[in-house]
Amino acid sequence: IQLTQSPSSLSASVGDRVTITCRASQGISSYLAWYQQKPGKAPKLLIYIASTLQSGVPSRFSGSGSGTDFTLTISSLQPEDFATYYCQQLHSYPLTFGGGTKVEIK
Amino acid sequence: EVHLVESGGGLVQPGGSLRLSCVASGFTFRNFWMSWVRQAPGKGLEWVANIKQDGSEKYYVDSVKGRFTISRDNARNLLYLQMNSLRAEDTAVYYCARGEVFCSGGICYYDIFDHWGQGTLVTVSS
Repeated sequence: IQLTQSPSSLSASVGDRVTITCRASQGISSYLAWYQQKPGKAPKLLIYIASTLQSGVPSRFSGSGSGTDFTLTISSLQPEDFATYYCQQLHSYPLTFGGGTKVEIK
Repeated sequence: EVHLVESGGGLVQPGGSLRLSCVASGFTFRNFWMSWVRQAPGKGLEWVANIKQDGSEKYYVDSVKGRFTISRDNARNLLYLQMNSLRAEDTAVYYCARGEVFCSGGICYYDIFDHWGQGTLVTVSS
């Protein structure tokens, strides 16, 4: 299953609302997770089952979608949110990740 | 606190072998699926392989089938990745990750990577 993220990069300002999309090549129900990765660090789980917030993750992060189209939204971008975001499907093997979306400072 | 610490990376020539290790602490290792995920320099994440709690099931991405072997030692809380016939395209940071299971509405979702190690760099070059 291929996951296509868009955009591949974006520039935004602190306080902006940011939306990242992830499209699956076939239906995966809610078998999707989102991760944040900062340079030189391991990824961090943000959201699973498409819309469930991982414990400890700020509520400005939210996820939605089902089937083939999914969205990660950051309601008010904070300085610590500048990072690369990946979606991952856990519907079937081989597990796959999207290509990533780099969120940069405008 | 959950900790995953990888080791064993380094520089190896094409065609060579390397064994990666990941030591787990802070949780009951034998209760979890475990995975290896890699990231080539400047590139995205690629899942490599995973292994069931008792080692009875293993899955691999096609590009490593027949060359890589995942295994575990539950008595010592260790996860391994034996890598043979290495190629330049295997150059990456290799992460071990815990596969958590979350259930909702009667459905259980596996392979949610809730904890990751810091990674170990494997460089395949002559």
